[in-house]
Amino acid sequence: SQQGEEDPQALSIQEGENATMNCSYKTSINNLQWYRQNSGRGLVHLILIRSNEREKHSGRLRVTLDTSKKSSSLLITASRAADTASYFCATSFDSWGKLQFGAGTQVVVTP
Amino acid sequence: DTGVSQNPRHKITKRGQNVTFRCDPISEHNRLYWYRQTLGQGPEFLTYFQNEAQLEKSRLLSDRFSAERPKGSFSTLEIQRTEQGDSAMYLCASSLVGGPEAFFGQGTRLTVV
Repeated sequence: SQQGEEDPQALSIQEGENATMNCSYKTSINNLQWYRQNSGRGLVHLILIRSNEREKHSGRLRVTLDTSKKSSSLLITASRAADTASYFCATSFDSWGKLQFGAGTQVVVTP
Repeated sequence: DTGVSQNPRHKITKRGQNVTFRCDPISEHNRLYWYRQTLGQGPEFLTYFQNEAQLEKSRLLSDRFSAERPKGSFSTLEIQRTEQGDSAMYLCASSLVGGPEAFFGQGTRLTVV
């Protein structure tokens, strides 16, 4: 079974707009990570937020974490066509690198 | 290329045949993970190694699946007597002990016909 659930399942936006996706999880975590996957390819690590952190930024990415609600959000600002991909949240609770993934959000950015 | 390398990228096999996949992790990484991903889903953890020791196996890893990492470097994942339900993308990842970030390979897409 998968630990996380992303919302929405799919998102279609135009270049320049912001994209926001959410992730909810079920059990206590050590950290939460976001990955990107282009169609049929491997996963690329985007950003990690630890359980004692509330917000992190990396370039055009902003991640928040609310451990009381067991949820996280990923914001991509000023989206580009190259941001078209599936985005997954993944949680880790005891073993560094052993991850439990959600089902992902498919993002399509049209020029 | 110093990333995680997986071979082959694609494999088509007939039901009942055995298949073996290879993963070469980033050279200084001592942890290696196998995940399986089916269409429309996120990756699911299968097993992981620290150096040559296999430390954890998921219930998803039936008796037909075996993974090895004989010298603590590359790893192989073998599936015996393949079934159509084994069709999936098999992903390998590596990380440093204590390093939270896992680096993924491009995956091996298995199709069982």
